[in-house]
Amino acid sequence: DAGVIQSPRHEVTEMGQEVTLRCKPISGHNSLFWYRQTMMRGLELLIYFNNNVPIDDSGMPEDRFSAKMPNASFSTLKIQPSEPRDSAVYFCASSLALLSARDREQETQYFGPGTRLLVL
Amino acid sequence: TQLLEQSPQFLSIQEGENLTVYCNSSSVFSSLQWYRQEPGEGPVLLVTVVTGGEVKKLKRLTFQFGDARKDSSLHITAAQPGDTGLYLCAGGSDKIIFGKGTRLHILP
Repeated sequence: DAGVIQSPRHEVTEMGQEVTLRCKPISGHNSLFWYRQTMMRGLELLIYFNNNVPIDDSGMPEDRFSAKMPNASFSTLKIQPSEPRDSAVYFCASSLALLSARDREQETQYFGPGTRLLVL
Repeated sequence: TQLLEQSPQFLSIQEGENLTVYCNSSSVFSSLQWYRQEPGEGPVLLVTVVTGGEVKKLKRLTFQFGDARKDSSLHITAAQPGDTGLYLCAGGSDKIIFGKGTRLHILP
């Protein structure tokens, strides 16, 4: 089975440009997570969806960031306009949420290979 | 704000040696997970611990959850070059938070 698929794997863009990151979760998984990883801040949860519905977007840094999940097999994270401080590796992860919401953090998340974003 | 502090940040040791890395917090977590991340890849889950005092073994790796569920340790016996990577702990309560990781390098 294919794991979580992310595209592009690398993105270099100029400040002010729109960036769209894409994710295809593992088939059958019903939860999807977007993370950002930097040396300074580590791995941070940006937003997560359950059954295509955004559940917690408190980690989204600001209005320049938006995420959508139009169906169970596709999600996007968009940055508009991009800034140099957005440079990071962005990961998508998916899981099969079987436990109650209270125990959701115990579930196994499967991470994609990440998109390395550089904003000049 | 919940924080997970991992120590040491970096560790470089010879093949065959034993090591322990730590994950500490002032907050109580309902569960704690350990991940390993290799360069250019996403983190991969190694283990989830749920009960205070719980010990889990995965081949040469031993994971322990503190009695008060505020801390955890990962002990590796007879380290091998294949153990090289970034080890992340992640704690859950209302949401998952990650530590910044311990970057481990095993010298052949």
